[in-house]
Amino acid sequence: EIVMTQSPATLSVSPGERATLSCRASQSVSSNLAWYQQKPGQAPRLLIYGASTRATGIPARFSGSGSGTEFTLTISSLQSEDFAVYYCQQYNNWPRLTFGGGTKVEIK
Amino acid sequence: QVQLVESGGGLVKPGGSLRLSCAASGFTFSDYYMSWIRQAPGKGLEWVSYISSSGSTIYYADSVKGRFTISRDNAKNSLYLQMNSLRAEDTAVYYCARVITGTTDIWGQGTMVTVSS
Repeated sequence: EIVMTQSPATLSVSPGERATLSCRASQSVSSNLAWYQQKPGQAPRLLIYGASTRATGIPARFSGSGSGTEFTLTISSLQSEDFAVYYCQQYNNWPRLTFGGGTKVEIK
Repeated sequence: QVQLVESGGGLVKPGGSLRLSCAASGFTFSDYYMSWIRQAPGKGLEWVSYISSSGSTIYYADSVKGRFTISRDNAKNSLYLQMNSLRAEDTAVYYCARVITGTTDIWGQGTMVTVSS
């Protein structure tokens, strides 16, 4: 099983600031990496797939980078609606998807 | 509007059974692989099962293999998860999700399954 590790577990950021979230895979997943946003009581929402391609309707302030085992999600200027939990997911070992443990982005 | 709506969750005793349903609308259901993914209370996400667009190819996580059965009815635009021999550790919100290029792009709102005596 490919283990996905996210850091930090919690990120405290002020509105308008930049947030950088990390995700590491236990083995190479090429660019088969997705990022999701989840707010309390809601389903996860796809933000990024293919490590760097924004999903339909996702604002340009969200960007993804990386390949192999190291990935980053950057939110360039945090808006109030961006405070949530973010998960990375590998799908290189399809169909056995695995998710990271999540990073909670909270208001500083 | 592309939408997935799950139903069928509830409280069940250990060893019991439950059948979840997922109604799809707004897209051609029969064109897509589908998946079930669950999330235990306060925990992360765990993939449970996949089914191909025709239903001919199916995969399960080791944690549910032999106890859960995924199926679909393309004529009814519906996905199902039959869960037998339920355990306390199966307690979770169960989401159905559409599969695209290997990952999942559309998720339902989820249905809660609680396994407790």
